[in-house]
Amino acid sequence: GQNIDQPTEMTATEGAIVQINCTYQTSGFNGLFWYQQHAGEAPTFLSYNVLDGLEEKGRFSSFLSRSKGYSYLLLKELQMKDSASYLCAVADGQNFVFGPGTRLSVLP
Amino acid sequence: DTGVSQDPRHKITKRGQNVTFRCDPISEHNRLYWYRQTLGQGPEFLTYFQNEAQLEKSRLLSDRFSAERPKGSFSTLEIQRTEQGDSAMYLCASSFPRFGAGASGNTIYFGEGSWLTVV
Repeated sequence: GQNIDQPTEMTATEGAIVQINCTYQTSGFNGLFWYQQHAGEAPTFLSYNVLDGLEEKGRFSSFLSRSKGYSYLLLKELQMKDSASYLCAVADGQNFVFGPGTRLSVLP
Repeated sequence: DTGVSQDPRHKITKRGQNVTFRCDPISEHNRLYWYRQTLGQGPEFLTYFQNEAQLEKSRLLSDRFSAERPKGSFSTLEIQRTEQGDSAMYLCASSFPRFGAGASGNTIYFGEGSWLTVV
């Protein structure tokens, strides 16, 4: 079967660092994606990992371990505008399978 | 072309009525996806097209749902005899997968979504 797990909610303080974890079990793997989704809006692409290791992109970094079926998204220097849901998705063959999303609240 | 566009953005309908949503993908994208999302959940896959061919359908897509992409460009998603459980945001996404292209060749890009409320 296909299963992607993420924590439901997280809270962090402005200026801090937060790590959002994702574990997955899928029948195929063509890459792992992180999307950001503000309330009432469409998901927007943040990062892509297909090989093991860390990909850094400004304040955002994403890590992948294929052998462990594990990824995390690291957000540094948190800003209020980072309050959103963060979706982990796996490209399983031709399809994209999404996790339930982690709702991040950034407090002043 | 600035991205994936969907129409209408919001639709309120009475139970039992039919509704149709339209999606215009990014112009060079040959793959088009439909997802459904309810509050607090991630997007759930419904179906996808490679050009005009519908290659995969989720078991979530009951016989009341039908999707088409007749010329391999825009797509429509029709829901017949709507039920209150159909209330959700319907998301369209597109991509142009290319081997070795990295993120840009493998990412799917979403439209703004079409909100459906069945009363």
